Amino acid sequence: NAGVTQTPKFRILKIGQSMTLQCTQDMNHNYMYWYRQDPGMGLKLIYYSVGAGITDKGEVPNGYNVSRSTTEDFPLRLELAAPSQTSVYFCASQKNSIGAANTGELFFGEGSRLTVL
Amino acid sequence: QKEVEQNSGPLSVPEGAIASLNCTYSDRGSQSFFWYRQYSGKSPELIMFIYSNGDKEDGRFTAQLNKASQYVSLLIRDSQPSDSATYLCAVDTGANSKLTFGKGITLSVRP
Repeated sequence: NAGVTQTPKFRILKIGQSMTLQCTQDMNHNYMYWYRQDPGMGLKLIYYSVGAGITDKGEVPNGYNVSRSTTEDFPLRLELAAPSQTSVYFCASQKNSIGAANTGELFFGEGSRLTVL
Repeated sequence: QKEVEQNSGPLSVPEGAIASLNCTYSDRGSQSFFWYRQYSGKSPELIMFIYSNGDKEDGRFTAQLNKASQYVSLLIRDSQPSDSATYLCAVDTGANSKLTFGKGITLSVRP
């Protein structure tokens, strides 16, 4: 049971380049999230999904896109990378049902450290 | 904008002492509250959650919630060097289990 797997772990991009951060989970969780964490800051929600085919914006969605074609995969796309997108990105999943009490137990991947120069 | 505030750190305590970590939140309708621990260079992990006013104990950890004051805290008794980490307070915004995180406070336990 691998949990939540993110790739790549590290990446350096030039301004204006694009890339996709991959995230896959093998726990059959229906909820998935992308967060970014800047130094000394908490986690900011970029996008989330409550199930395959359903995605929605979080707090800081500008410059990013997501898709959720399967339960397992939730890739994050960065278009036209900017220095402000230099951050550590965490993918997380949670088993939950709409309307159910939130146990708050997010399962995080190991993170992807992205630098835009 | 729903906000979660944690008092600025870092916090340093000697081994064996009680560490007290505090958090306030702005959305009075918040129902669920969580503490995550994050070791340097690692991903966060859930250590406590609390839904009701009062105290909740789990081993050396106690979470305290006061909804009237919009205040949640984490006490770590008999602090150990292995407790040295950043502690993130998180609050359920109430829709689709989205959590709003505070900036975190870094705890250092001196041997």
